[in-house]
Amino acid sequence: QKEVEQNSGPLSVPEGAIASLNCTYSDRGSQSFFWYRQYSGKSPELIMSIYSNGDKEDGRFTAQLNKASQYVSLLIRDSQPSDSATYLCAVNTRVAAQGGSEKLVFGKGTKLTVNP
Amino acid sequence: DVKVTQSSRYLVKRTGEKVFLECVQDMDHENMFWYRQDPGLGLRLIYFSYDVKMKEKGDIPEGYSVSREKKERFSLILESASTNQTSMYLCASNRGGDQPQHFGDGTRLSIL
Repeated sequence: QKEVEQNSGPLSVPEGAIASLNCTYSDRGSQSFFWYRQYSGKSPELIMSIYSNGDKEDGRFTAQLNKASQYVSLLIRDSQPSDSATYLCAVNTRVAAQGGSEKLVFGKGTKLTVNP
Repeated sequence: DVKVTQSSRYLVKRTGEKVFLECVQDMDHENMFWYRQDPGLGLRLIYFSYDVKMKEKGDIPEGYSVSREKKERFSLILESASTNQTSMYLCASNRGGDQPQHFGDGTRLSIL
């Protein structure tokens, strides 16, 4: 069973700080990685996609990928109370038993609270 | 913007009923997915589809079936609803390959 593990949290940071969210995955063949934000009672919303080793920046968000270590992270700079949510790491994996079809495997999420 | 629309935000049904959850996407995506999300268990894949009239079992297909008669519409069917199927149900779609999935608003289903 292919797995995605996230630090369970909860994670609490003061407003203006950097929040660091981490994720490891078991499928060495995975090529696509995503971070979703989910507010309480709402559906997941895509915030970052990353496909290559290194850093990818989008505004206050930076995704980091290290395929050799099977590790992906999300940094949120200048955290705001509106960033308080659960962050889901998702990894694309190919299911050999199903003709090579691809599906996302999700971590269970890290709950982030940003305190004013 | 991708729009994935689920027919109901909240739904209450009784044990033993046949329940239909509908999902429509407007971006001509090939792939569509149904998940359920429960506290402590995360998102779990029920069924997915890569083309019209095609379906694949996910991780927890028992008690569910699906229908995809048209490319834009993917229906989840609870054949005989049970209380352990009370959950948040989420539909998603993507263009395929390594593209991200986009989610609908979800249906919170309660089985009494």
